Amino acid sequence: NSKVIQTPRYLVKGQGQKAKMRCIPEKGHPVVFWYQQNKNNEFKFLINFQNQEVLQQIDMTEKRFSAECPSNSPCSLEIQSSEAGDSALYLCATRQLNYAEQFFGPGTRLTVL
Amino acid sequence: QQKVQQSPESLIVPEGGMASLNCTSSDRNVDYFWWYRQHSGKSPKMLMSIFSNGEKEEGRFTVHLNKASLHTSLHIRDSQPSDSALYLCAASDTGGLSGKLTFGEGTQVTVIS
Repeated sequence: NSKVIQTPRYLVKGQGQKAKMRCIPEKGHPVVFWYQQNKNNEFKFLINFQNQEVLQQIDMTEKRFSAECPSNSPCSLEIQSSEAGDSALYLCATRQLNYAEQFFGPGTRLTVL
Repeated sequence: QQKVQQSPESLIVPEGGMASLNCTSSDRNVDYFWWYRQHSGKSPKMLMSIFSNGEKEEGRFTVHLNKASLHTSLHIRDSQPSDSALYLCAASDTGGLSGKLTFGEGTQVTVIS
């Protein structure tokens, strides 16, 4: 069973509000991924980290999305100014350095009213 | 563009029957396929992975992979009501920088008694 912790489980925001969610990786998993699953079950890779360094990210041109994985603190994903289209399940997945399987946390379900 | 295609979109299977799901990637860099199962309201859980040509069996689940065509299939025999879920196929380029997963949109399996 996955030991990835995500908080909060549910998040409700008004349009324009900031939304922040956190992820604590499974112990021994230095690689962290964020995915967005919309109501049509479409997954979008957002960003991933190895320790504190960004490995790859989508073009967050609007700069509304930001993420970090500081040392000795939970990883976080933040949406600066939420839009209705951001309503989705945000999933954090982590893995070991030399093993490809990703383990998913329970997700944060964001609803933007 | 959608790089991982799954079919069918949905499947109804009688209890005790066989469910067959298909998945194809259009990305020639892919070298690993994953099958995840996601029950309603839950996060994806990895069922099986495959990277070599051929077949792999674990209990009631069998996966096939044809690397030349980048096609994989998942077969569930003796289907149970607890198998009712969204089945997601994902592909990764494990030699790539991030190893991110590219998901298909899933096959919704319903097992009826």
